[in-house]
Order: sequence, then structure tokens, then C-alpha cells
Amino acid sequence: DTAVSQTPKYLVTQMGNDKSIKCEQNLGHDTMYWYKQDSKKFLKIMFSYNNKELIINETVPNRFSPKSPDKAHLNLHINSLELGDSAVYFCASSQSDPGKNIQYFGAGTRLSVL
Amino acid sequence: AQSVTQPDIHITVSEGASLELRCNYSYGATPYLFWYVQSPGQGLQLLLKYFSGDTLVQGIKGFEAEFKRSQSSFNLRKPSVHWSDAAEYFCAVGDYNNNDMRFGAGTRLTVKP
Repeated sequence: DTAVSQTPKYLVTQMGNDKSIKCEQNLGHDTMYWYKQDSKKFLKIMFSYNNKELIINETVPNRFSPKSPDKAHLNLHINSLELGDSAVYFCASSQSDPGKNIQYFGAGTRLSVL
Repeated sequence: AQSVTQPDIHITVSEGASLELRCNYSYGATPYLFWYVQSPGQGLQLLLKYFSGDTLVQGIKGFEAEFKRSQSSFNLRKPSVHWSDAAEYFCAVGDYNNNDMRFGAGTRLTVKP
């Protein structure tokens, strides 16, 4: 069983569209994250959710909105897609307990905006 | 906030040779330190971590890393590199309290036959 799964793996869409990426974890973790990896492989945290509460929100545009229906899911919604949104998006999860907060990553979603 | 520097963007080693990837961090308290590996087109896999205790930590795939507080470093080593080790390697530092993990820019490892 995949511990952290993301769908879709690839997403190709036009500028201006709205899209969602789903993430699910079956590890029983209480914190989930979204990262963006740009073309130079630089990884930057976008959001973190702990027990359905947003605890980190980096300086990302408000076109991006995380939605967590329950502790095992953290979906990423993107409105009015722009060319610069093209990247690989990674979901991750961890326990929040200090000493146990190892993050486990999904396989990534490659988003291409045309 | 904490930060990580990986000074080497790209390293090439011959198969069978030893490897050391450098990582320097900046954090005011005791850091949580990690090395992840990303194979082409894949997600990130945890190689090893340091939370406390022994400063030499062993990981998967024959990797080890040493935490040196005096040098703010957490370098990754492997005595003999295999062709399958070719990948992107990321060092990361975590905040003890809020899981705010920051990644370095990564080091791409190429392995020559």
C-alpha cells in the first residue's frame, strides 16, 4: 500500500483554468504538507495542515488553497492557473510530535500550464 | 527561520569511489536534520535523519551522515558508490516545534562507469 498517494501524476492544462490535486495518506499522521518544486529542483513549502488547521502558509498566491476534508486528506486547489505555476507539487505527511516528525512524501504531480 | 546550504550543485564520481555530499545549516537551536534522495521522475525518499544522540547516523542504501555542531554541518557519505545512486540529494533542517522543514537546493550526483 502506498503511504502517501497523489493524483493525478501528470496534469496538463490551459492558462486560466482551475484544477485540483488530491493527496491521501494512510500512515495515521496528523500533519500534511504541500511543496512546490520548480524547474531548478528547488523545494519550497507551501502549506502545512495539522489536525485540519493551517499552521504554515508561506507567501503563496491566494489562487492556491488547501482543503482538508479529514486528517488523511489534503487537497490543493489552484484557480486561474498561470504559466509560472508549472512545477512538480509534492504532498507529504508526518506526525507532529517532536522527535517523530519525519515527513514522508508522495510521488509528486507534474503540472504543466500551457 | 532555519536554512540549509548545499554548496555543490553537481558532483560526478566514478562507480566504486567514495562520496561526500556537503550540507551546512543555520538554526538557533538543536536542529532536526535529514537527507532525502530523489531519483529521476520520483518522489523524495528519506535516507537518514538526526534528532539527537550519536552524531554519526546510519541510513539506508549504505549511506551515513555526521552531525558536527561546531561546523553546522551534516555531510552525507558513502564508501563505495553504485550506478544506481545517481540521483538528486536534498539536505533538510527541521524546526523542533512546528514541523517547518527547509530544504537545500539539492546536489545532483552523476556516477561514471
